[in-house]
Amino acid sequence: RKEVEQDPGPFNVPEGATVAFNCTYSNSASQSFFWYRQDCRKEPKLLMSVYSSGNEDGRFTAQLNRASQYISLLIRDSKLSDSATYLCVAYNFNKFYFGSGTKLNVKP
Amino acid sequence: DTAVSQTPKYLVTQMGNDKSIKCEQNLGHDTMYWYKQDSKKFLKIMFSYNNKELIINETVPNRFSPKSPDKAHLNLHINSLELGDSAVYFCASSHPGQQETQYFGPGTRLLVL
Repeated sequence: RKEVEQDPGPFNVPEGATVAFNCTYSNSASQSFFWYRQDCRKEPKLLMSVYSSGNEDGRFTAQLNRASQYISLLIRDSKLSDSATYLCVAYNFNKFYFGSGTKLNVKP
Repeated sequence: DTAVSQTPKYLVTQMGNDKSIKCEQNLGHDTMYWYKQDSKKFLKIMFSYNNKELIINETVPNRFSPKSPDKAHLNLHINSLELGDSAVYFCASSHPGQQETQYFGPGTRLLVL
């Protein structure tokens, strides 16, 4: 079983839509969680950290549910430039475990 | 200014060859990593070094040997390349005291024929 599992998508949404991604992690001892964004043929870049209380950065909201071992990312008012693959990450004792990513296509 | 750089960007080689990929970071970070991203886009850690010392060595074939001459560099040497080694290899580094924030290099696309 993979440490972090995500729906690979793709999610095809129109501009302006709200879209949500979820992921689950298997190790309850995982200490920290993140969402990374990876554009086609580029390196992953940190989008935001995820806290139990939920956190927001502009149009992006991340949430962590430790009881269910579940992480979410909500994108409001999608832009064409949001098209990318979103990687869910769990950090545990010096190791980062990446999900295989959820692909988002935002269409005009 | 490039934060984490890798060379080469592309590498096409024959099975059985030996090749090296170099990584350098100018961020003053203590910890560096090598990841492999396969065709299914799954990013998996291979090695991690902290201040030139190996701290993570995942179940990677011993044909892969990392070397850290100083804390700004982490190179990856691969012996006897196999078809299954074809992937994108990413180097990353993280900030002292902020081990959880990683900065990735642009990747090296390795194709073994």
